[in-house]
Amino acid sequence: AQSVTQLGSHVSVSEGALVLLRCNYSSSVPPYLFWYVQYPNQGLQLLLKYTSAATLVKGINGFEAEFKKSETSFHLTKPSAHMSDAAEYFCAVSEVGNNNDMRFGAGTRLTVKP
Amino acid sequence: SQTIHQWPATLVQPVGSPLSLECTVEGTSNPNLYWYRQAAGRGLQLLFYSVGIGQISSEVPQNLSASRPQDRQFILSSKKLLLSDSGFYLCAWRDTGQDYGYTFGSGTRLTVV
Repeated sequence: AQSVTQLGSHVSVSEGALVLLRCNYSSSVPPYLFWYVQYPNQGLQLLLKYTSAATLVKGINGFEAEFKKSETSFHLTKPSAHMSDAAEYFCAVSEVGNNNDMRFGAGTRLTVKP
Repeated sequence: SQTIHQWPATLVQPVGSPLSLECTVEGTSNPNLYWYRQAAGRGLQLLFYSVGIGQISSEVPQNLSASRPQDRQFILSSKKLLLSDSGFYLCAWRDTGQDYGYTFGSGTRLTVV
């Protein structure tokens, strides 16, 4: 079964610094990969997704992620952090053909310092 | 366009009381529907999912149950709440023609006292 591991439950960066949130996946078939963001007391919002097209995926709010098959990774980056980026981020993996196929990582809480 | 509605937004219930949380989806047919729970400081736990009316699959044994009386309606229930049922409950749907991504509702914050 597929799974994801998010390295680091908490990440803290200064405003304007690079944001790097790490995600490694495990899947027996080519995966679909997703990043979601959750603000306090809200649902999850899709940031970006990889569905076997371009390996570098651009999402909303200036975020992007690169699918690296050799490293089984799908790390999320943003060149310059903004205070509004403070939130919880979830990586998820999906396999085609399974109704119960979305597996989420444990989440990474991003703090942005002024 | 598709939308998902979840209510109530917040709920405070005493131990032993019943629970009913409702989720409805608009703008799509025969979606897959999901109930997740987030305990404080923890990740997402899949509770139930449904691929059609009356079809419910349970992921975790507990005192919660789910029902799907209509195509676009998904209900989470309990006959008697426990303190451990406190958490943030999220409904989600998936359109099988849309790259398998999920769309989430805004969530219900349940506090059992």
